[in-house]
Amino acid sequence: AQKVTQAQTEISVVEKEDVTLDCVYETRDTTYYLFWYKQPPSGELVFLIRRNSFDEQNEISGRYSWNFQKSTSSFNFTITASQVVDSAVYFCALSETFSGGYNKLIFGAGTRLAVHP
Amino acid sequence: GAGVSQSPSNKVTEKGKDVELRCDPISGHTALYWYRQSLGQGLEFLIYFQGNSAPDKSGLPSDRFSAERTGGSVSTLTIQRTQQEDSAVYLCASRVFKGVAGGGYTFGSGTRLTVV
Repeated sequence: AQKVTQAQTEISVVEKEDVTLDCVYETRDTTYYLFWYKQPPSGELVFLIRRNSFDEQNEISGRYSWNFQKSTSSFNFTITASQVVDSAVYFCALSETFSGGYNKLIFGAGTRLAVHP
Repeated sequence: GAGVSQSPSNKVTEKGKDVELRCDPISGHTALYWYRQSLGQGLEFLIYFQGNSAPDKSGLPSDRFSAERTGGSVSTLTIQRTQQEDSAVYLCASRVFKGVAGGGYTFGSGTRLTVV
């Protein structure tokens, strides 16, 4: 069955430290998408990235970078030089195709990141 | 509208009462999802609507939960005889169409339901 595991429940760092959030997934599909969402204290889900299962290139966006490795079924997220505003819960999610041809997001349990000044 | 709109943003209800939560998806988005996020937990899939197809109700936790989507647009999630364990944030999301390449999921701000 499809599953997303975020083993780190909470991470606490000091500002300017680098931090990596782990995500491991399980799927039988060959075509799927992986996502990262940020949920700040205000509660809304903020989309960060979507990655196609056929594209294993790492991606960098400012202080954020993502490492996708199909061989280990991992899609890890690194924040460089963390800031207090990065404090949030981060969710990794998997979208795959179910019978009927539709998709739904399967979420991990989330990692709560606290960045202290 | 520009985003997914949910109402009310907060709802406090007495145990045993029925509640209705509303989701107004982005215009033109044929796929609509309901998720539930209990305190400190991840997001749990509840139900999915796609166009005129039969919805996927596999995530509804009990028969007290039901949802409908009228005219392929607005959706209402109804919880009958609410229980304290129903307290959670209920999130709605929409996307352009079905299929793995069907665009990103846009989430609403959610309805925080508290059953007292």
